[in-house]
Amino acid sequence: QKEVEQNSGPLSVPEGAIASLNCTYSDRGSQSFFWYRQYSGKSPELIMSIYSNGDKEDGRFTAQLNKASQYVSLLIRDSQPSDSATYLCAVKVDSNYQLIWGAGTKLIIKP
Amino acid sequence: NAGVMQNPRHLVRRRGQEARLRCSPMKGHSHVYWYRQLPEEGLKFMVYLQKENIIDESGMPKERFSAEFPKEGPSILRIQQVVRGDSAAYFCASSPGQGIFNEQFFGPGTRLTVL
Repeated sequence: QKEVEQNSGPLSVPEGAIASLNCTYSDRGSQSFFWYRQYSGKSPELIMSIYSNGDKEDGRFTAQLNKASQYVSLLIRDSQPSDSATYLCAVKVDSNYQLIWGAGTKLIIKP
Repeated sequence: NAGVMQNPRHLVRRRGQEARLRCSPMKGHSHVYWYRQLPEEGLKFMVYLQKENIIDESGMPKERFSAEFPKEGPSILRIQQVVRGDSAAYFCASSPGQGIFNEQFFGPGTRLTVL
C-alpha cells in the first residue's frame, strides 16, 4: 500500500518565522514530489515540485527532498498571514501511476 | 493561457436527480483527473482519463458514477440518482502527459449540494 503521511496540524507559526512542513512516503521508488497549497473553500494550487535530492528554492519557499530517508519538506521563510492554508504533499511513484496524496497539514500564521 | 475550467461552480440537486459536472483541461493537456473532497477531509482520487479512454477508475464508486472524456468537448463526471452523501467539492485537474515530470493543475471545482 503506497502511502503519504503528513501531520494534520494545525501548525501555528508566528508571523515572520520559518514554517516547516513535513511529509513522508512509503514507496522507495517514488520519483516526483509536489507541494500544493489549498485555501479554505478553494482548489489546490501547485507551489513546488521537486525531483532530485537536495533543496529547491523559489522565492520564500524551499522544498527539500531526502530519498534515502523517504521524506520531503517545505520551508516557508518570513511567514505571512496569507500563507495560512492547508498544504498538501503529493507523490508520483512512476510515469504510469497516479499521484498519492497526503491528508494535508493546516498551517496558521499568527500576526 | 486559460487554466482548467469547471462548470458549474455550484450545483444543487434533490435526492434522486442527476448531476453532470464538466471539466475543460488546460490548453495542450490531454490528461484529466477527477477528485472528490468532503468538508475538512483530504482529496480522494476518483478517475483518470485521456481522450476517449478511461485509464484508471479505481477510486470511483461502482454504481451511479461514470466519467467520460470525448474526442471533442469537455470531460464529464456524471452522478445518477444523487444522495446526500454525494454532497462534496469535485475537482478536476489536468496534465500534459503522465510522465514523472508532468504536474497536475486544478480547476476551481464544482460544489455539489444534494438536498
